[in-house]
Amino acid sequence: AQSVAQPEDQVNVAEGNPLTVKCTYSVSGNPYLFWYVQYPNRGLQFLLKYITGDNLVKGSYGFEAEFNKSQTSFHLKKPSALVSDSALYFCAVRDIHNAGNMLTFGGGTRLMVKP
Amino acid sequence: DTEVTQTPKHLVMGMTNKKSLKCEQHMGHRAMYWYKQKAKKPPELMFVYSYEKLSINESVPSRFSPECPNSSLLNLHLHALQPEDSALYLCASSQVPAGRGGNTGELFFGEGSRLTVL
Repeated sequence: AQSVAQPEDQVNVAEGNPLTVKCTYSVSGNPYLFWYVQYPNRGLQFLLKYITGDNLVKGSYGFEAEFNKSQTSFHLKKPSALVSDSALYFCAVRDIHNAGNMLTFGGGTRLMVKP
Repeated sequence: DTEVTQTPKHLVMGMTNKKSLKCEQHMGHRAMYWYKQKAKKPPELMFVYSYEKLSINESVPSRFSPECPNSSLLNLHLHALQPEDSALYLCASSQVPAGRGGNTGELFFGEGSRLTVL
């Protein structure tokens, strides 16, 4: 079975400060990992993914995420937060060795960036 | 901008009504999905179509009936819904079904259809 945990329901950060949204995962094999962002009353937008290779993945809107196999984590980061980054963020995982598996989403983390 | 288009954006219906949600993509994707999302919760998978055939039904009640007329279109027919079915319904697509041809399973989502059942 595969699972994703986002331990924080909400993260508050001041504009201009660095932000981190945490994600840990559990799969039986090797993971494909994803971050999606959802703005109010909108669909999910793809931010970035880790498939293989460099552990630091860069994505849209200045976001990046670091894959840490030993800690089974894939935390989302941004060096300088913007008010417009305020949204709901979902981490997702798929086990590459289980062909039938769909994406499993974490519970979501609401990011609030204050001016 | 998303390349998965969903209509209508908003739908209000009574419990005896019959309505449909529509989804369209022109990216050549061969897998299409319906998700249900409640407020502040992650999307929940309902159905998966793979090469226009239903491959996954996550024990969804029969009052929800999916249809895939061709590789670009996905419908969700609604009949005799309950108020608890009110939610955001998201359509998504992927290049090929997850796991085939090295596909990473990355999903492309539409903006969703906000359904309210009175």
